[in-house]
Amino acid sequence: EVQLVESGGGLVQPGGSLRLSCAASGFTFNRYGMTWVRQAPGKGLEWVSAISDSGTATYYPDSVQGRFTISRDNSKNTLYLQMTSLRADDTAIYYCAKDLGPRISPWSFDLWGRGTLVTVSS
Amino acid sequence: EIVLTQSPATLSLSPGQRATLSCRASQSVSSYLAWYQQKPGQAPRLLIYDASNRATGIPARFSGSGSGTDFILTISSLEPEDFAVYYCQQRRNWPLTFGQGTRLEIK
Repeated sequence: EVQLVESGGGLVQPGGSLRLSCAASGFTFNRYGMTWVRQAPGKGLEWVSAISDSGTATYYPDSVQGRFTISRDNSKNTLYLQMTSLRADDTAIYYCAKDLGPRISPWSFDLWGRGTLVTVSS
Repeated sequence: EIVLTQSPATLSLSPGQRATLSCRASQSVSSYLAWYQQKPGQAPRLLIYDASNRATGIPARFSGSGSGTDFILTISSLEPEDFAVYYCQQRRNWPLTFGQGTRLEIK
């Protein structure tokens, strides 16, 4: 089955750290760019980070640059998001997603996980 | 950063009616725009990529048009399952950005 399954979310104190994982199955993981997108409660979608198929290129918005690190292990078909210096406004559901690939439409996302909830609170 | 502005914020229509949703970019994104549908408690679902290409498995009643700064998502005849929130997303420049969403509700 083609799917993405996130894990690692939970309750963390402000200033703390958390690592999210996204396990991929059913497709050739190392051929696709991957991304993390978050959604604060009752709010819209916010792009958080992206990584190329090989892992050599990474991208971040200013809101998380220097605090979040995206990585991937293509041997384990797994995507990661290391989050540090967490703040209350990082509270959200975090989704991982796969892009359509370089031959079709890189950075358009056709497969999404169900998300994992991160709550930053004391 | 490219800002995407969606309108209207909320659209109230009945099943069978035609829905027209707009997404305007603060600068040209060429045709590098996607549309997603999100239902409560679910992940987003890709509908349209590169302005006018339907994603795999998306019904023909969904269509996208536009280029440059102005884009339209049209649902030709609304089905009950189409009532949801719709987002546009550009991939022309980093950072990737999403619009704020249009809620399509049953009238």
